[in-house]
Amino acid sequence: QVLLQESGPGLVKPSETLSLTCTVSNYSISSGYYWGWFRQPPGKGLEWIGSIYHSGSTNYNPSLKTPVTMSLDKSKNQFSLRLRSVTAADTAVYYCASQGPSSAADYWGQGTLVTVSS
Amino acid sequence: DIQLTQSPSFLSASVGDRVTFTCRASQDISNYLAWYQQKPGKAPKLLIYAASTLQSGVPSGFSGSGSGTEFTLTISSLRPEDFATYYCQQLHSYPLTFGGGTKVEI
Repeated sequence: QVLLQESGPGLVKPSETLSLTCTVSNYSISSGYYWGWFRQPPGKGLEWIGSIYHSGSTNYNPSLKTPVTMSLDKSKNQFSLRLRSVTAADTAVYYCASQGPSSAADYWGQGTLVTVSS
Repeated sequence: DIQLTQSPSFLSASVGDRVTFTCRASQDISNYLAWYQQKPGKAPKLLIYAASTLQSGVPSGFSGSGSGTEFTLTISSLRPEDFATYYCQQLHSYPLTFGGGTKVEI
């Protein structure tokens, strides 16, 4: 099965950039599928941040007040997320996931808590 | 954006109960709906996609139905490990959106 693992700083200062990487195992991200980022503020529900196709095309959630960028690194079988100018409202557990043919997120990373605080 | 409304928000039940909860979409999404289960401190787990297709490895006690704007998730007989929060997600159009969740409690 596809394995995903998020990595990145657990603490980011307000107005700085949040950067996370998702390392994928047992499947080549070049082979297909969408690769997505989701988040969940403490005690709240799930939010889709955006998805990147294996070709590199992207779709982002316009509801996010923070500018979002996603990218692929096929040589490392990784995909990444950058949120610029974060605020405390961006504090959440961030998940990466693969999105199968139906676009549903079928495999998930374990999640990583990112706290935005000075 | 397509809004998803889940009901109830909380559901108290017992082991062995049959439970059903609902997800309503603000517009027609055909069958582009998925259901997830999430336990505290864990990532969500995909249960059902395309409104009624069981994800590989998910017990047959879970079933989904519906199309258009009304969808249901049914657990035929609650097991102790089924106490969790359940979310629906629409996959019809961007931005992808989730319902607010139904928490199933003992």
